[in-house]
Amino acid sequence: ETGVTQTPRHLVMGMTNKKSLKCEQHLGHNAMYWYKQSAKKPLELMFVYSLEERVENNSVPSRFSPECPNSSHLFLHLHTLQPEDSALYLCASSPTVGTGEPYEQYFGPGTRLTVT
Amino acid sequence: AQSVAQPEDQVNVAEGNPLTVKCTYSVSGNPYLFWYVQYPNRGLQFLLKYITGDNLVKGSYGFEAEFNKSQTSFHLKKPSALVSDSALYFCALRGSGAGSYQLTFGKGTKLSVIP
Repeated sequence: ETGVTQTPRHLVMGMTNKKSLKCEQHLGHNAMYWYKQSAKKPLELMFVYSLEERVENNSVPSRFSPECPNSSHLFLHLHTLQPEDSALYLCASSPTVGTGEPYEQYFGPGTRLTVT
Repeated sequence: AQSVAQPEDQVNVAEGNPLTVKCTYSVSGNPYLFWYVQYPNRGLQFLLKYITGDNLVKGSYGFEAEFNKSQTSFHLKKPSALVSDSALYFCALRGSGAGSYQLTFGKGTKLSVIP
């Protein structure tokens, strides 16, 4: 996909490591999202940014730290993770957060994270 | 609180037969409903959405979905299944109330189309 890209696609890290996930959208959207996808569970919304301002933090542990330097880029900084944090982390974007018009979200391919 | 249920973890259908993937929802007020598809090692792709108006919504790849307010359902359908339709399908809901912009996703239904 060229609309929303994510790097790396796969990441293995120890519990004491620090790493970052990167997301970039080429769609001119103003809203960006981080989701966690675990096996047998619904997608969990982690963070929402609108015009680089965080508008939602769904009780995510502080070992996950998001950063949105501009409307095209979104990072998820990881440190001191636990094995249960192993999952597929998906980034998405939409034209706006959409409190009015219910815009669909466009997803990246995800980063498969394994915490050992 | 709003919720989405996809009662079937897996649906198997023969190629060429019609397929249905079920979704029911619960929300205060009017719902906005979406279907997404996820192929292996890929992100979610938008298929279609219901906002208002005609209860039958047509989307990508020949899929359609029928909104039924009395049964609070939004089932995904296709008249003739292809092997390439095999994937994971997610129903999602957004409420229409003030401040409600988050999508709530179902657990997903794995569709297998058998040649």
